[in-house]
Amino acid sequence: QSALTQPASVSGSPGQSITISCTGTSSDIGSYNFVSWYRQRPGKAPELLIYDVSDRPSGNSNRFSGSKSGNTASLTISGLQAEDEADYYCNSYRGGSTYVFGTGTKVTVL
Amino acid sequence: EVQLVESGGGLVQPGGSLRLSCAASGFSITNYWMVWVRQTPAKGLEWVSRINRDGSSTKYADSVQGRFTISRDNAKNTLYLQMNSLRAEDTALYYCVRDYPLGTWFYMDVWGKGTTVTVSS
Repeated sequence: QSALTQPASVSGSPGQSITISCTGTSSDIGSYNFVSWYRQRPGKAPELLIYDVSDRPSGNSNRFSGSKSGNTASLTISGLQAEDEADYYCNSYRGGSTYVFGTGTKVTVL
Repeated sequence: EVQLVESGGGLVQPGGSLRLSCAASGFSITNYWMVWVRQTPAKGLEWVSRINRDGSSTKYADSVQGRFTISRDNAKNTLYLQMNSLRAEDTALYYCVRDYPLGTWFYMDVWGKGTTVTVSS
């Protein structure tokens, strides 16, 4: 069960937009729209940011948006802020009630 | 307050066993599928196992299949993970997670703080 592939790091200046990619296969992202994104701040547990590819839990910032094309999902952070510095992980359903996480991306605000 | 609190982690020798517990408060686990996720600095997050509401259906990652067993006691509002034949690569922070119905599927919306398992001689 190979992990989904994410870039190890992405950086941007305050106010900019950045996009994190998450590449899977036709057995996970390519077959299901059950893709989610999680943010993990240092020393904390992950928090759900995006579900169903592009939906946000109520109360979450609309600066976070998700999309999918083929076997690749993406998370875009608009209006980058210092508080966005964290690790970000994608997750996809893989069938048979199993799931797979991405390798994780460290976001740095310059 | 909705909360999950893991316990039972510790240092164990290769080949040994450990049972993790996860006590839920602020909600009844009876209504939810539950999940274990682990994390290492090297590999990040790894989905480990999932159990349905009444415990009749369980699924495991290939890396733990046949060695780990997930179970639940709804009356005690507690989730468990029995880990046998432990290996060095099982060393990780283990999170208990609620699998919440959201949109068209289930997503991990409440996470515990985790319990650390170290497998070493």
